[in-house]
Amino acid sequence: QKEVEQNSGPLSVPEGAIASLNCTYSDRGSQSFFWYRQYSGKSPELIMFIYSNGDKEDGRFTAQLNKASQYVSLLIRDSQPSDSATYLCAVTYYGNNRLAFGKGNQVVVIP
Amino acid sequence: EPEVTQTPSHQVTQMGQEVILRCVPISNHLYFYWYRQILGQKVEFLVSFYNNEISEKSEIFDDQFSVERPDGSNFTLKIRSTKLEDSAMYFCASSPSGSSYEQYFGPGTRLTVT
Repeated sequence: QKEVEQNSGPLSVPEGAIASLNCTYSDRGSQSFFWYRQYSGKSPELIMFIYSNGDKEDGRFTAQLNKASQYVSLLIRDSQPSDSATYLCAVTYYGNNRLAFGKGNQVVVIP
Repeated sequence: EPEVTQTPSHQVTQMGQEVILRCVPISNHLYFYWYRQILGQKVEFLVSFYNNEISEKSEIFDDQFSVERPDGSNFTLKIRSTKLEDSAMYFCASSPSGSSYEQYFGPGTRLTVT
């Protein structure tokens, strides 16, 4: 069973701080890695994707991938109240194109 | 900016009835997908579609489900005989290519089976 795990509970961060989210995956054949943001009652919105080991930065977001340790993380710098949402980690595997999602991590940015 | 659209936004149906959920993927995309999310649970893959045929389906996508691309723009999900447990948000997504490319989601259809 290919699992994507996001185990930490709701994360509360003060406005302007860094929010750090982690995701682990079970299958070493994982190919592509995505972070989606989902506001309550809305659809997933793609915010970052990463395919290679290392860091990828896009504005206030940084994705970090470590394939040897099978984890991918997301950093949100200068957190804003509008960043309050659930962040979903998703993975695709070699040979297929389905996204396997984690259950998500809720982030609450406190003004 | 191009986006995936879905209709209706909310569908209420009685158990045993057939429903068709509609999606218009982003116009130059080649892969289309359906996912569902039961309230409070993970987003789950149902099916992917490429070149007018199913390329992959999950164990959830049984004989009561079917997909179709009836014309050059629409992509539909049909549920033949709805069950109470089919109540969920159904999301359509599209991507320009296969697994190396990001998938963009539509706003979803909330299906309520009574």
